[in-house]
Amino acid sequence: QKEVEQDPGPLSVPEGAIVSLNCTYSNSAFQYFMWYRQYSRKGPELLMYTYSSGNKEDGRFTAQVDKSSKYISLFIRDSQPSDSATYLCAMSDNNAGNMLTFGGGTRLMVKP
Amino acid sequence: EADIYQTPRYLVIGTGKKITLECSQTMGHDKMYWYQQDPGMELHLIHYSYGVNSTEKGDLSSESTVSRIRTEHFPLTLESARPSHTSQYLCASSVGGEQYFGPGTRLTVT
Repeated sequence: QKEVEQDPGPLSVPEGAIVSLNCTYSNSAFQYFMWYRQYSRKGPELLMYTYSSGNKEDGRFTAQVDKSSKYISLFIRDSQPSDSATYLCAMSDNNAGNMLTFGGGTRLMVKP
Repeated sequence: EADIYQTPRYLVIGTGKKITLECSQTMGHDKMYWYQQDPGMELHLIHYSYGVNSTEKGDLSSESTVSRIRTEHFPLTLESARPSHTSQYLCASSVGGEQYFGPGTRLTVT
């Protein structure tokens, strides 16, 4: 079993929809959680960085962490075609820049 | 915005050739990383460095080697390329727990 599980999709939604992307994990030591966006043939771009449980909002993006359930989510409001990309979750047990554990990514397609 | 560069962006090369993938960052980050990513698959860490003259192997076994002689430069070398090395190679650097990625090198070995 992988340490971090992420539904590969693809997830197809109409423009303007609210998107929910999720990851589950098994290592209870993880405390730092990240979401990356990766466009085709590009490197991942850091979207959200959160610590421990709770919510963090940045524009149309909200990251949510539930450590008791070992479950994290990324919500995208008013989705746009430009949001079409692969979204990767990543996590770590420290903030010292040590190794991250990545999910396999969810491919999102937002249709105009 | 992160300033991390990788060259070449695309490389097609024959079996047995020696290749070096370049990675440079201008942010003064001490920590740098190399990941391998196959299409639709997760990133696998193959090498990392915590500073000059420090290099370690990552989770994924790799026949590549790295060096870190200068803070800003972290090249990856394959002494003898094979078709199994065909993949995307991503370089990253970090400050605190936030890793920033370069655009990647897509390598095809024929």
